[in-house]
Amino acid sequence: ETGVTQTPRHLVMGMTNKKSLKCEQHLGHNAMYWYKQSAKKPLELMFVYNFKEQTENNSVPSRFSPECPNSSHLFLHLHTLQPEDSALYLCASSQDPRASSYNSPLHFGNGTRLTVT
Amino acid sequence: DAKTTQPPSMDCAEGRAANLPCNHSTISGNEYVYWYRQIHSQGPQYIIHGLKNNETNEMASLIITEDRKSSTLILPHATLRDTAVYYCIVIQTGANNLFFGTGTRLTVIP
Repeated sequence: ETGVTQTPRHLVMGMTNKKSLKCEQHLGHNAMYWYKQSAKKPLELMFVYNFKEQTENNSVPSRFSPECPNSSHLFLHLHTLQPEDSALYLCASSQDPRASSYNSPLHFGNGTRLTVT
Repeated sequence: DAKTTQPPSMDCAEGRAANLPCNHSTISGNEYVYWYRQIHSQGPQYIIHGLKNNETNEMASLIITEDRKSSTLILPHATLRDTAVYYCIVIQTGANNLFFGTGTRLTVIP
């Protein structure tokens, strides 16, 4: 149990579908992150939210749309995805590193394994 | 853009110490060294971090060279459950963008 819960654990969707990934943390953190992990590739940072405000968008295509309604919840809305978007999508949380003298470690969920058919 | 270099893979006998090296020759004064690991089918897990002093916690020890250009993560008594990909990451104080490289795949052998 990492304190960061992601649902669903597995998702299969067609290219015309719309789906959402959910992430929830109860660690009292105020920064949340989406990462993508494709087979044989390093983790890729997608989005960062600090205090519900998006502070980083790492050139992610618009078919991925994040939403952070509060510091405990983070969503990734998916629409018209491509087969190459199949990957493990990981959510993480931490204390806002801008607010302290060191970088609070990230706590990761176990991810959503997405398959686009 | 990962600023670290790690060997792609290592083996370690169960019960022995696992020493995982990391080169970060371009590290600057306000950058920390962080170590994470990722066990198969799980998200990455934080292990330890340091700035310039050696650090130890219940999971591992971190040895940073005096010039800070390299470090070694030590798992003192490796178990089969330590088999994972280990990531060494350098990050600036106050930065939000933690970038992972390809890491070292450690296999603990019975």
